[in-house]
Amino acid sequence: EVNLVESGGAVIRPGGSLRLSCAASGFIFDLYGMSWVRQAPGKGLEWVSGINWNGGNTAYADSVKGRFTISRDNAKNSLFLQMNSLRADDTALYYCSRGVDNNNWFDAWGQGVLVTVS
Amino acid sequence: EIVLTQSPGTLSLAPGERATLSCRAGQSVRNTYLAWYQQKPGQAPRLLMYGASTRATGIADRFSGSGSGTDFTLTISRLEPEDFAVYYCQQYGSAPITFGQGTRLDIK
Repeated sequence: EVNLVESGGAVIRPGGSLRLSCAASGFIFDLYGMSWVRQAPGKGLEWVSGINWNGGNTAYADSVKGRFTISRDNAKNSLFLQMNSLRADDTALYYCSRGVDNNNWFDAWGQGVLVTVS
Repeated sequence: EIVLTQSPGTLSLAPGERATLSCRAGQSVRNTYLAWYQQKPGQAPRLLMYGASTRATGIADRFSGSGSGTDFTLTISRLEPEDFAVYYCQQYGSAPITFGQGTRLDIK
């Protein structure tokens, strides 16, 4: 069974930094691209960042470019999101998701981790 | 970026009825690169459809998708109680990936 478990969420002051982690199991991690998708309270979904299978190709939403960095450790089946210069509008539930077909759509999701910037 | 507009914002129907959800793109979505997701309260999204009309693994055949270019539709032929949720479309034909704002499907 595919399982994605996020961790690292917290309440953080504006301007602060936070690192999210996602532990993957139940599938061959390094065969898949991975992404982070967030959802502000009561709002819709927003794609944040994606990374290909070996970490050689990354992409970011304009809203986080230059502040967030996605990475992965295939030996530890883990995905990360380093978030710097956090702002109030980064407050959201952050989902780790498994990408399919060059990380285009997402067929498995974690339960999410809450980041509150206040 | 491609803006996706979903309509209606809320749809109130009874079990057994047919639901038609619309997703309109601000510009053409390349190669029908559109997916649909279902999200229930307190849960993560679940993939329903990709390539506009291909059901994901395990998705009931009462769900169907159609469309091309700028207009896409998700149809649920006969609503079951577990279908009442929020539905999102997502395009992946052009970077960045974008989602619609969602359609809430409520029990009437």
